[in-house]
Amino acid sequence: DQQVKQNSPSLSVQEGRISILNCDYTNSMFDYFLWYKKYPAEGPTFLISISSIKDKNEDGRFTVFLNKSAKHLSLHIVPSQPGDSAVYFCAASGRYGGSQGNLIFGKGTKLSVKP
Amino acid sequence: DGGITQSPKYLFRKEGQNVTLSCEQNLNHDAMYWYRQDPGQGLRLIYYSQIVNDFQKGDIAEGYSVSREKKESFPLTVTSAQKNPTAFYLCASSIQGRLNTGELFFGEGSRLTVL
Repeated sequence: DQQVKQNSPSLSVQEGRISILNCDYTNSMFDYFLWYKKYPAEGPTFLISISSIKDKNEDGRFTVFLNKSAKHLSLHIVPSQPGDSAVYFCAASGRYGGSQGNLIFGKGTKLSVKP
Repeated sequence: DGGITQSPKYLFRKEGQNVTLSCEQNLNHDAMYWYRQDPGQGLRLIYYSQIVNDFQKGDIAEGYSVSREKKESFPLTVTSAQKNPTAFYLCASSIQGRLNTGELFFGEGSRLTVL
């Protein structure tokens, strides 16, 4: 049973426009949400995170929004650039089952930004 | 520079052979992890270790083994019992403790191909 879901396997956006990547989760015990960016044949790199006590976190062109009632978060990239083309993973962590915050990952969304 | 080093980057193995993937970190992180990535599957946790001389099974531990004799090192052995070993393997580390938000630092990955 997937606890973190990214329902769109791919997304194509024109350069300069907004990219919106979505993520849904099922476990209300998650208390941190993170986005990672991954290029082919490389390890993922951390992009931005948000605590469950907040509803928005912004870092430059990247903003993450959290809607706890809907168990939904989204990553906005404005403006999108060709270098943003990568796979984006949503991940969640929390103190549940006695375990210290192991990350649960979604399956990823491949973003393509067209020049 | 601090970071995580995985080796080898590419590895070919014949069926029936065991192979060991190396992971070394100089970030002074307590926790280390091994993930496997398959196309369209996201990242799945194989094993993790929160402290030296201790490790726990993740979601897909069958056919794998690990050791954690030193804080800096967390090698993964892919045994002949692993049914589908061809994959991209990612090692990661994290800070443990009260301030841990679950953020992981990843290595560059090792691609294993079984011939």
